[in-house]
Amino acid sequence: DAMVIQNPRYQVTQFGKPVTLSCSQTLNHNVMYWYQQKSSQAPKLLFHYYDKDFNNEADTPDNFQSRRPNTSFCFLDIRSPGLGDAAMYLCATSTRLWGYGYTFGSGTRLTVV
Amino acid sequence: TQLLEQSPQFLSIQEGENLTVYCNSSSVFSSLQWYRQEPGEGPVLLVTVVTGGEVKKLKRLTFQFGDARKDSSLHITAAQTGDTGLYLCAGGVNRDDKIIFGKGTRLHILP
Repeated sequence: DAMVIQNPRYQVTQFGKPVTLSCSQTLNHNVMYWYQQKSSQAPKLLFHYYDKDFNNEADTPDNFQSRRPNTSFCFLDIRSPGLGDAAMYLCATSTRLWGYGYTFGSGTRLTVV
Repeated sequence: TQLLEQSPQFLSIQEGENLTVYCNSSSVFSSLQWYRQEPGEGPVLLVTVVTGGEVKKLKRLTFQFGDARKDSSLHITAAQTGDTGLYLCAGGVNRDDKIIFGKGTRLHILP
């Protein structure tokens, strides 16, 4: 089945140690998004790619970077994770920007120790 | 700032009961989406509504978009334990606007 796959499902990292989360999709969607979701909060958009065009949200910390080497893959790099970065990280795709309905991956739960 | 307010924040009811949860805004939205998110999983799209007054049904779930396109409701008939989860609404004011999410209603169906 076509889908969005995030790896790993759970990631434990040390304070300040760089970590990379990955997302792959078999839907051939043009747009990929990264969201951060903390407990009892709405998903917060970090950035998105429309094809290779990258768009960073104004309030996304510099600590967060992203790469999209091809249509299928997108990575979230956290250069120096702090305790406040512990969250669920969600990858989503859509056929067009802000399309009518996203397909989400299962998420990566990040713990910072 | 456009906001989507969801109510109630939490709802715990017995299996078999009916319930309604709400998504409200002071802005007019071009479309609204409803997602269900189970613990430890990503949100799954349930429905998109685009026309004021539109009603869509998905088995025991009924979604309505307000006539003025400022609000939406989700009604569940005869709730089941499998309905447990976080229900998120999301939408964009204009067709090409960024989608924003509400904080969700956390629903717990008791056996």
